[in-house]
Amino acid sequence: GDSVTQMQGQVTLSEDDFLFINCTYSTTWYPTLFWYVQYPGEGPQLLLKVTTANNKGISRGFEATYDKGTTSFHLQKASVQESDSAVYYCVRTGGYKVVFGSGTRLLVSP
Amino acid sequence: EAGVTQSPRYAVLQEGQAVSFWCDPISGHDTLYWYQQPRDQGPQLLVYFRDEAVIDNSQLPSDRFSAVRPKGTNSTLKIQSAKQGDTATYLCASSPGTGGALAEQFFGPGTRLTVL
Repeated sequence: GDSVTQMQGQVTLSEDDFLFINCTYSTTWYPTLFWYVQYPGEGPQLLLKVTTANNKGISRGFEATYDKGTTSFHLQKASVQESDSAVYYCVRTGGYKVVFGSGTRLLVSP
Repeated sequence: EAGVTQSPRYAVLQEGQAVSFWCDPISGHDTLYWYQQPRDQGPQLLVYFRDEAVIDNSQLPSDRFSAVRPKGTNSTLKIQSAKQGDTATYLCASSPGTGGALAEQFFGPGTRLTVL
């Protein structure tokens, strides 16, 4: 079936550290993939969108790369800030289905 | 431009009671989604509409949950007989144009439901 896996439940970093969050998916369709970010007390908001046409997305200093060969979709940032502390969700859509991953909580200390 | 609005923001029920959640999407957005988000988990899609038509309701517990969007604008999600396991935040989202599920979703703040 269609699924999205985020193995990292929580990542703890210091400001200016490098961030890497892993996401893998299984699907019988060519998906469109998203990263959403959720701050406490709010609904998720779009961070990045990547399709099979472009394979990579960049927004607000974050970069996501889509690897069809390994069915993975990683999120990275060169230098995190305390304001990046939030929960990050990998999301896949395709074939009329929308599937969220379980989320990775990022804690950044000053 | 106003964002997605939801009401109520909070609800507390006893098991067996009914509750309805209301969502007003962004004007002009033809696709509307309802999600259930248990505490410390990711959102789980319950149902989504394009205009008034249901596109996917495969994860909606149809024995107790129902959702409608009669004029293709506002939507109501109802739980007929709530259980403690329904305790969660219920999120509504909308997206524009012909992208359907491939388009960016704009989320409301959610309704936090507690079933005692």
